[in-house]
Amino acid sequence: SAVISQKPSRDICQRGTSLTIQCQVDSQVTMMFWYRQQPGQSLTLIATANQGSEATYESGFVIDKFPISRPNLTFSTLTVSNMSPEDSSIYLCSAQVSAGELFFGEGSRLTVL
Amino acid sequence: GQNIDQPTEMTATEGAIVQINCTYQTSGFNGLFWYQQHAGEAPTFLSYNVLDGLEEKGRFSSFLSRSKGYSYLLLKELQMKDSASYLCAAYSGAGSYQLTFGKGTKLSVIP
Repeated sequence: SAVISQKPSRDICQRGTSLTIQCQVDSQVTMMFWYRQQPGQSLTLIATANQGSEATYESGFVIDKFPISRPNLTFSTLTVSNMSPEDSSIYLCSAQVSAGELFFGEGSRLTVL
Repeated sequence: GQNIDQPTEMTATEGAIVQINCTYQTSGFNGLFWYQQHAGEAPTFLSYNVLDGLEEKGRFSSFLSRSKGYSYLLLKELQMKDSASYLCAAYSGAGSYQLTFGKGTKLSVIP
């Protein structure tokens, strides 16, 4: 298994500002991902965080809005840029430990006013 | 593309058995995950099926039929703490480890 820590756990932000969410895994993992869970909805994959190269974004998500860093095998950040109320959501970091298990961090609950 | 369908809500009685179904249509498929998510918390891993058949883990069992694009999660001896959302997710594999999640089934366990 893996222990995944995210911070901040929650934040309230003003429209137009940016917030960076950090994700730390307690062991080296090959694959890390960022998901979004909007109120009452299931999880949607934002991007795969690639170590040493640009993240791979899913349809509907772009690097300018959600820049991602992955400087090593245990750490990643997701920035939500130029926030609007529509970005209010839970953002979840996840790590693939093996082909059979994907673990999630506790999530970062973001409210944009 | 991927399409995952599961019921939106279910209600069951404490001590009973409940089966949560999931059907999927995917362009690539390499396995099926089930997660439990309590309100306000992150999803927690329950099971992963790659081969057809039933896998049992204590009170929880998961079944997969690849030919039918169908899975279910079986919860036995229901407890109040089992009230949660249950998420079905298809793993595309083929060099990509991304999961596509269903919308989740909200299970309410009543006394």
